[in-house]
Amino acid sequence: EIVLTQSPGTLSLSPGERATLSCRASQSVSSSYLAWYQQKSGQAPRLLIYGASSRATGIPDRFSGSGSGTDFTLTISRLEPEDYAVYYCQQYGDSPSYTFGQGTKLEIK
Amino acid sequence: EVQLVESGGGLVQPGGSLRLSCTASGFTLSSYSMNWVRQAPGKGLEWISYMSSTTNTIFYAASLKGRFTISRDIGKNSLYLQVNSLESEDTAVYYCARGAMGAYYYHYMDVWGEGTTVTVSS
Repeated sequence: EIVLTQSPGTLSLSPGERATLSCRASQSVSSSYLAWYQQKSGQAPRLLIYGASSRATGIPDRFSGSGSGTDFTLTISRLEPEDYAVYYCQQYGDSPSYTFGQGTKLEIK
Repeated sequence: EVQLVESGGGLVQPGGSLRLSCTASGFTLSSYSMNWVRQAPGKGLEWISYMSSTTNTIFYAASLKGRFTISRDIGKNSLYLQVNSLESEDTAVYYCARGAMGAYYYHYMDVWGEGTTVTVSS
């Protein structure tokens, strides 16, 4: 099973700042089958990024994903008030088990 | 509008059982691969089970120890999760989530329901 480790656990930034979230895999993620989700308190997760770098429908272009192999990054170029949430990475390239990272909480500084 | 709505959660004693439901609207559930994902209170997301659109491929997380069963009803456009021999560690919000159109495993989850809460306690 591929283990995903996200860092930092908590990220404190001000609106307008740039956020960089990391997701490291215990082994290579095939074909960059890596997704990012946003979850706000009391809500379901929302797909942001798939295939490591493709934005899902309706996701603003301030969100971008990059990386391959074992190291992946989610970047939010300029934080908006609605971006404060918990972010999870997920790999879907390992059969028969998908796995999620433990999450990064993005909080207002 | 594409939507998933879960139901069937509740308070159950240790050792008990529940059947969780997930009803789709705005799309034909049987054309897609589907998943169940859970989230314990204050914790992260845990994938539980996958069913391909053809139902030929079904996977479960190893941690479930064979206690959960995924199924669907085409006529009701619904997905189910039978959960047996419940333990306190199964207390969580259970989400259904849509995968690929077709029987393709290597796919992200693009539509999620709001979840149904299962509490296991005596």
